[in-house]
Amino acid sequence: SQTIHQWPATLVQPVGSPLSLECTVEGTSNPNLYWYRQAAGRGLQLLFYSVGIGQISSEVPQNLSASRPQDRQFILSSKKLLLSDSGFYLCAWSSGSGELFFGEGSRLTVL
Amino acid sequence: EDKVVQSPLSLVVHEGDTVTLNCSYEVTNFRSLLWYKQEKKAPTFLFMLTSSGIEKKSGRLSSILDKKELFSILNITATQTGDSAIYLCALGGAQKLVFGQGTRLTINP
Repeated sequence: SQTIHQWPATLVQPVGSPLSLECTVEGTSNPNLYWYRQAAGRGLQLLFYSVGIGQISSEVPQNLSASRPQDRQFILSSKKLLLSDSGFYLCAWSSGSGELFFGEGSRLTVL
Repeated sequence: EDKVVQSPLSLVVHEGDTVTLNCSYEVTNFRSLLWYKQEKKAPTFLFMLTSSGIEKKSGRLSSILDKKELFSILNITATQTGDSAIYLCALGGAQKLVFGQGTRLTINP
Protein backbone atom coordinates (compact mmCIF):
# COMPACT_ATOMS: atom_id res chain seq x y z
CA SER A 1 0.00 0.00 0.00
CA GLN A 2 1.02 3.58 -0.53
CA THR A 3 2.24 5.79 2.29
CA ILE A 4 3.37 9.38 2.51
CA HIS A 5 5.83 10.73 5.05
CA GLN A 6 6.36 14.38 5.81
CA TRP A 7 8.80 15.95 8.26
CA PRO A 8 9.48 17.70 10.49
CA ALA A 9 6.03 17.79 12.10
CA THR A 10 6.72 21.03 13.95
CA LEU A 11 9.37 23.67 13.76
CA VAL A 12 10.01 27.14 15.08
CA GLN A 13 12.42 29.25 13.08
CA PRO A 14 13.67 32.84 13.37
CA VAL A 15 13.02 35.36 10.63
CA GLY A 16 15.75 35.21 8.01
CA SER A 17 16.68 31.58 8.64
CA PRO A 18 16.48 28.88 5.94
CA LEU A 19 13.78 26.23 5.66
CA SER A 20 13.63 22.70 4.37
CA LEU A 21 10.52 20.52 4.57
CA GLU A 22 10.72 17.05 3.12
CA CYS A 23 8.11 14.66 1.80
CA THR A 24 8.50 11.12 0.49
CA VAL A 25 5.99 8.69 -0.95
CA GLU A 26 6.28 4.92 -0.85
CA GLY A 27 4.44 2.20 -2.70
CA THR A 28 3.84 4.02 -5.97
CA SER A 29 5.87 5.29 -8.90
CA ASN A 30 5.72 8.55 -10.84
CA PRO A 31 3.18 10.20 -8.53
CA ASN A 32 2.02 13.79 -8.92
CA LEU A 33 3.30 15.66 -5.85
CA TYR A 34 1.95 18.79 -4.20
CA TRP A 35 2.73 21.34 -1.51
CA TYR A 36 -0.23 23.18 0.03
CA ARG A 37 -0.30 25.79 2.79
CA GLN A 38 -3.18 26.21 5.20
CA ALA A 39 -3.52 29.40 7.23
CA ALA A 40 -5.34 29.42 10.58
CA GLY A 41 -7.53 26.36 9.97
CA ARG A 42 -8.90 27.57 6.65
CA GLY A 43 -8.76 26.25 3.10
CA LEU A 44 -5.71 24.92 1.30
CA GLN A 45 -3.65 27.14 -0.96
CA LEU A 46 -1.66 25.29 -3.62
CA LEU A 47 1.97 26.40 -3.61
CA PHE A 48 3.74 23.97 -5.96
CA TYR A 49 3.06 20.80 -7.84
CA SER A 50 5.20 18.39 -9.81
CA VAL A 51 4.28 15.78 -12.42
CA GLY A 52 7.80 14.37 -12.74
CA ILE A 53 11.43 14.58 -11.60
CA GLY A 54 12.76 18.09 -12.00
CA GLN A 55 9.38 19.45 -13.15
CA ILE A 56 8.01 22.09 -10.77
CA SER A 57 4.97 24.32 -11.32
CA SER A 58 4.61 27.33 -9.04
CA GLU A 59 1.14 28.60 -8.31
CA VAL A 60 1.84 31.79 -6.39
CA PRO A 61 4.83 34.15 -6.28
CA GLN A 62 6.41 33.91 -2.86
CA ASN A 63 9.45 33.42 -0.72
CA LEU A 64 9.46 29.65 -1.18
CA SER A 65 10.79 27.17 -3.72
CA ALA A 66 10.30 23.47 -4.36
CA SER A 67 12.43 20.71 -5.79
CA ARG A 68 11.91 17.09 -6.81
CA PRO A 69 15.31 15.44 -6.84
CA GLN A 70 13.90 11.91 -6.98
CA ASP A 71 10.68 10.38 -8.26
CA ARG A 72 9.08 10.08 -4.83
CA GLN A 73 10.74 12.96 -2.99
CA PHE A 74 9.44 16.52 -2.81
CA ILE A 75 11.20 19.30 -0.90
CA LEU A 76 9.93 22.75 0.08
CA SER A 77 12.63 25.33 0.79
CA SER A 78 13.32 28.91 1.62
CA LYS A 79 16.62 30.78 1.85
CA LYS A 80 15.26 33.42 4.24
CA LEU A 81 12.00 32.97 6.11
CA LEU A 82 9.50 35.78 6.59
CA LEU A 83 6.92 36.12 9.36
CA SER A 84 4.23 35.59 6.74
CA ASP A 85 5.62 32.12 5.95
CA SER A 86 4.15 30.80 9.20
CA GLY A 87 1.45 28.22 8.63
CA PHE A 88 0.57 24.59 8.24
CA TYR A 89 2.21 22.95 5.23
CA LEU A 90 0.76 19.82 3.69
CA CYS A 91 2.38 17.54 1.18
CA ALA A 92 0.15 15.35 -0.97
CA TRP A 93 0.37 12.86 -3.80
CA SER A 94 -1.95 11.71 -6.56
CA SER A 95 -1.88 8.96 -9.14
CA GLY A 96 -3.73 11.25 -11.53
CA SER A 97 -7.15 9.76 -10.80
CA GLY A 98 -8.31 12.94 -9.04
CA GLU A 99 -8.06 11.98 -5.38
CA LEU A 100 -5.26 13.46 -3.27
CA PHE A 101 -3.60 11.67 -0.37
CA PHE A 102 -2.11 13.92 2.28
CA GLY A 103 0.78 13.73 4.68
CA GLU A 104 0.37 14.62 8.33
CA GLY A 105 1.56 18.19 7.81
CA SER A 106 4.32 20.44 9.12
CA ARG A 107 3.47 23.35 11.39
CA LEU A 108 5.92 26.21 10.87
CA THR A 109 6.15 29.18 13.22
CA VAL A 110 8.43 32.01 12.22
CA LEU A 111 9.38 34.35 15.06
CA GLU B 1 -9.48 30.79 -13.17
CA ASP B 2 -11.20 27.96 -11.31
CA LYS B 3 -12.82 29.02 -8.04
CA VAL B 4 -14.51 27.29 -5.10
CA VAL B 5 -16.64 29.07 -2.48
CA GLN B 6 -17.90 27.26 0.60
CA SER B 7 -20.62 28.33 2.98
CA PRO B 8 -21.08 28.79 5.81
CA LEU B 9 -17.51 29.35 6.92
CA SER B 10 -18.38 28.28 10.42
CA LEU B 11 -21.31 26.35 11.90
CA VAL B 12 -22.13 25.29 15.46
CA VAL B 13 -24.93 22.80 16.10
CA HIS B 14 -26.08 20.36 18.77
CA GLU B 15 -25.48 16.65 18.64
CA GLY B 16 -28.26 14.94 16.73
CA ASP B 17 -28.93 17.86 14.39
CA THR B 18 -28.72 17.54 10.62
CA VAL B 19 -26.38 19.90 8.76
CA THR B 20 -25.95 20.90 5.13
CA LEU B 21 -22.68 22.32 3.90
CA ASN B 22 -22.54 24.18 0.61
CA CYS B 23 -19.95 24.38 -2.12
CA SER B 24 -20.34 26.52 -5.25
CA TYR B 25 -17.79 26.69 -8.01
CA GLU B 26 -16.68 28.29 -11.23
CA VAL B 27 -14.70 26.17 -13.64
CA THR B 28 -13.58 26.24 -17.24
CA ASN B 29 -13.50 22.48 -17.79
CA PHE B 30 -15.23 20.41 -15.12
CA ARG B 31 -13.71 17.06 -14.20
CA SER B 32 -14.72 16.31 -10.63
CA LEU B 33 -15.66 17.77 -7.27
CA LEU B 34 -14.24 16.30 -4.07
CA TRP B 35 -15.07 16.55 -0.37
CA TYR B 36 -12.53 16.08 2.42
CA LYS B 37 -12.75 16.04 6.22
CA GLN B 38 -9.89 17.51 8.25
CA GLU B 39 -9.91 16.86 11.98
CA LYS B 40 -6.42 17.68 13.18
CA LYS B 41 -3.80 17.25 10.51
CA ALA B 42 -4.18 15.37 7.24
CA PRO B 43 -7.44 15.85 5.33
CA THR B 44 -9.15 12.54 4.61
CA PHE B 45 -11.14 11.81 1.49
CA LEU B 46 -14.93 11.59 1.69
CA PHE B 47 -16.44 11.72 -1.79
CA MET B 48 -15.65 12.35 -5.44
CA LEU B 49 -18.55 13.53 -7.60
CA THR B 50 -18.52 13.64 -11.37
CA SER B 51 -22.18 13.31 -12.42
CA SER B 52 -25.13 15.53 -11.62
CA GLY B 53 -27.98 14.26 -9.49
CA ILE B 54 -26.35 11.05 -8.32
CA GLU B 55 -26.10 10.95 -4.55
CA LYS B 56 -23.03 9.46 -2.96
CA LYS B 57 -23.58 8.07 0.53
CA SER B 58 -21.40 6.79 3.33
CA GLY B 59 -23.16 6.13 6.61
CA ARG B 60 -24.64 9.39 7.88
CA LEU B 61 -22.84 11.44 5.23
CA SER B 62 -24.12 12.06 1.74
CA SER B 63 -23.30 14.41 -1.10
CA ILE B 64 -24.77 15.44 -4.40
CA LEU B 65 -23.66 17.54 -7.35
CA ASP B 66 -25.62 19.95 -9.55
CA LYS B 67 -23.56 20.73 -12.65
CA LYS B 68 -26.20 23.03 -14.09
CA GLU B 69 -26.30 25.32 -11.06
CA LEU B 70 -22.60 24.72 -10.26
CA PHE B 71 -22.84 23.58 -6.68
CA SER B 72 -22.57 20.61 -4.39
CA ILE B 73 -23.89 19.93 -0.90
CA LEU B 74 -22.63 17.69 1.87
CA ASN B 75 -25.26 16.46 4.31
CA ILE B 76 -24.58 14.97 7.71
CA THR B 77 -27.54 13.50 9.58
CA ALA B 78 -27.75 12.69 13.30
CA THR B 79 -24.51 14.54 13.94
CA GLN B 80 -22.05 13.34 16.57
CA THR B 81 -19.22 15.14 18.36
CA GLY B 82 -16.80 13.16 16.20
CA ASP B 83 -18.13 14.99 13.15
CA SER B 84 -16.52 18.19 14.40
CA ALA B 85 -13.93 19.10 11.77
CA ILE B 86 -13.15 21.36 8.86
CA TYR B 87 -14.89 20.17 5.71
CA LEU B 88 -13.11 21.03 2.48
CA CYS B 89 -14.54 21.11 -1.01
CA ALA B 90 -12.23 20.98 -4.04
CA LEU B 91 -12.38 21.07 -7.82
CA GLY B 92 -10.45 18.24 -9.41
CA GLY B 93 -8.44 19.26 -12.45
CA ALA B 94 -6.17 17.45 -14.86
CA GLN B 95 -3.17 17.89 -12.59
CA LYS B 96 -4.24 19.67 -9.41
CA LEU B 97 -7.04 20.34 -6.94
CA VAL B 98 -8.35 23.81 -6.15
CA PHE B 99 -9.80 24.05 -2.63
CA GLY B 100 -12.39 26.28 -1.07
CA GLN B 101 -11.96 28.06 2.26
CA GLY B 102 -13.48 25.21 4.21
CA THR B 103 -16.40 25.05 6.66
CA ARG B 104 -15.52 24.65 10.32
CA LEU B 105 -18.24 22.47 11.86
CA THR B 106 -18.55 22.21 15.63
CA ILE B 107 -20.92 19.70 17.20
CA ASN B 108 -21.78 20.43 20.82
CA PRO B 109 -22.96 17.59 23.08
